[in-house]
Amino acid sequence: AQSVTQLGSHVSVSEGALVLLRCNYSSSVPPYLFWYVQYPNQGLQLLLKYTTGATLVKGINGFEAEFKKSETSFHLTKPSAHMSDAAEYFCAVTVAPSYNTDKLIFGTGTRLQVFP
Amino acid sequence: KAGVTQTPRYLIKTRGQQVTLSCSPISGHRSVSWYQQTPGQGLQFLFEYFSETQRNKGNFPGRFSGRQFSNSRSEMNVSTLELGDSALYLCASRGTSGRTTDTQYFGPGTRLTVL
Repeated sequence: AQSVTQLGSHVSVSEGALVLLRCNYSSSVPPYLFWYVQYPNQGLQLLLKYTTGATLVKGINGFEAEFKKSETSFHLTKPSAHMSDAAEYFCAVTVAPSYNTDKLIFGTGTRLQVFP
Repeated sequence: KAGVTQTPRYLIKTRGQQVTLSCSPISGHRSVSWYQQTPGQGLQFLFEYFSETQRNKGNFPGRFSGRQFSNSRSEMNVSTLELGDSALYLCASRGTSGRTTDTQYFGPGTRLTVL
């Protein structure tokens, strides 16, 4: 079965500092990986996704993630944190047995705090 | 283009009652998925509908059911509510092909409180 582990339920950084949110996955088949962000009282918004091809994926709001098969990781980074980045971030993996049926398996989330 | 809409946004029910939540996907999207989000269990997949057919289901009891209409709007029903059903219920719609690689767009959720 597929699974996702997010290391660190809370991460705190100063404004302007590097953001690094960790995600490791387990999958018996090639995974599709996603990062979502959730602001208070809102739904989830896709930041970026990896399906195939280039392993370094760039997303919205300056975020990027690198798929490392050898490390089974898909860590999310942003060079310089902004106050507006404070939110909860979820890593997710698909478990599609075929191309058109799947469900997202989510990690437990990482709450990012940004201090001025 | 309007996003995914969910109604109602907030709901308070008592144990034993039933509830119906509604989701309108982005225009043209034929896939609708439902998720339950709780502090203890996190985000869990409930089920997915594509062109009015349920094509994937999570590990939830039969009290949780859903359906999709010909216009792709979807409803989720929970019968005999339990305290543990208190959660944020999120709906997500996927592009016209419904493929895995299509991005899922989430609605703002319905916050259900069971007293």
